[in-house]
Amino acid sequence: DTGVSQNPRHKITKRGQNVTFRCDPISEHNRLYWYRQTLGQGPEFLTYFQNEAQLEKSRLLSDRFSAERPKGSFSTLEIQRTEQGDSAMYLCASSPLAREKLYFGPGTRLTVT
Amino acid sequence: EDQVTQSPEALRLQEGESSSLNCSYTVSGLRGLFWYRQDPGKGPEFLFTLYSAGEEKEKERLKATLTKKESFLHITAPKPEDSATYLCAVQTDYKLSFGAGTTVTVRA
Repeated sequence: DTGVSQNPRHKITKRGQNVTFRCDPISEHNRLYWYRQTLGQGPEFLTYFQNEAQLEKSRLLSDRFSAERPKGSFSTLEIQRTEQGDSAMYLCASSPLAREKLYFGPGTRLTVT
Repeated sequence: EDQVTQSPEALRLQEGESSSLNCSYTVSGLRGLFWYRQDPGKGPEFLFTLYSAGEEKEKERLKATLTKKESFLHITAPKPEDSATYLCAVQTDYKLSFGAGTTVTVRA
């Protein structure tokens, strides 16, 4: 069990650029989650996968955001045409079963200038 | 919509000064209540899960309790290494909904 890993850990980009983040969950965890956290707030749910199927997206997730989990393993979160309001910590988490705790990764800190 | 409210927002304690954090919630169909610890710049780290009113869990200086409307995280004789943000979350289906957290600072 090597834990959930996320890359990159930090990303600085200019407004209007596209960015992509990667999450590698704990192996054999079939559930994978993306959350966003801004300063002074708790994590907010963005989207959720069970294996390769994306089962729910939050209304917070605008059309500029897209997430994939090909083959039910790693996942990517892409933000197109970034805006300053996208600056946040993007957290990935995985779990083996429903009602199980979520194991969080270290997060990717995005700064949009 | 599920609502989770944590209080206070911040708590400054002297080493050894016990205190409690509150998490009140309004949800339909609670499946579990989770407590996480988060250090600056890191992802949340799991502490406890509580499933039913009256349940209690303990780990070192931390004890979590659950009623039908709220949960408490008691910190007994805290040490500086207990300084962190403590997050409460409710699970109603497949995801967790988090409160804003309580930032605890313990001075030596």
